[in-house]
Amino acid sequence: SAVISQKPSRDICQRGTSLTIQCQVDSQVTMMFWYRQQPGQSLTLIATANQGSEATYESGFVIDKFPISRPNLTFSTLTVSNMSPEDSSIYLCSVDRPPYFGPGTRLTVT
Amino acid sequence: AQTVTQSQPEMSVQEAETVTLSCTYDTSESDYYLFWYKQPPSRQMILVIRQEAYKQQNATENRFSVNFQKADKYFSLKISDSQLGDAAMYFCAYRSAFGKTSYDKVIFGPGTSLSVIP
Repeated sequence: SAVISQKPSRDICQRGTSLTIQCQVDSQVTMMFWYRQQPGQSLTLIATANQGSEATYESGFVIDKFPISRPNLTFSTLTVSNMSPEDSSIYLCSVDRPPYFGPGTRLTVT
Repeated sequence: AQTVTQSQPEMSVQEAETVTLSCTYDTSESDYYLFWYKQPPSRQMILVIRQEAYKQQNATENRFSVNFQKADKYFSLKISDSQLGDAAMYFCAYRSAFGKTSYDKVIFGPGTSLSVIP
């Protein structure tokens, strides 16, 4: 099974600022996925990131708000831009086959 | 579009007893995967068990087993000999069969919070 790490594990940020979350996988993977889990809710897919191409965003999520980079087959970043309290969530990185998840980043926006 | 439903927001079980968490789903596909994930307070999503739709045999992993009823689109998780460490949020999830790259999205149910009573 893939081992996935995320940085930071948690952060408290002020509204209007941006935070970049890093995801590292211990093996090469074609696709990486970013999920959001709002308090007390289930997981919602934000976007799918393929190496060498633009990320594919789900309905309700836009690149300006959640820019994603995928520079190689083991690494990806998700940026949460111009944050508001509504962005307070757990953000999880995932790889497929079967879906494995990183430990998550708990973001609190004040 | 596929949907996943978990009708039990909360469940409780006595330690060492057995509990069953229910999940129903809706799909027009014939080939897919179903999963149960556990999310303890640490927030790590842990894969508990998975079932391939083309396999009639129900999956088992130690104390965890599933009851997969494809015709009824029903997929339950049975936890035997419940332990305190089983207390967590449990999510049922659906994914189209691997290889259909346009359907890589995993769809999660709303979750069931399981408490284990000592």
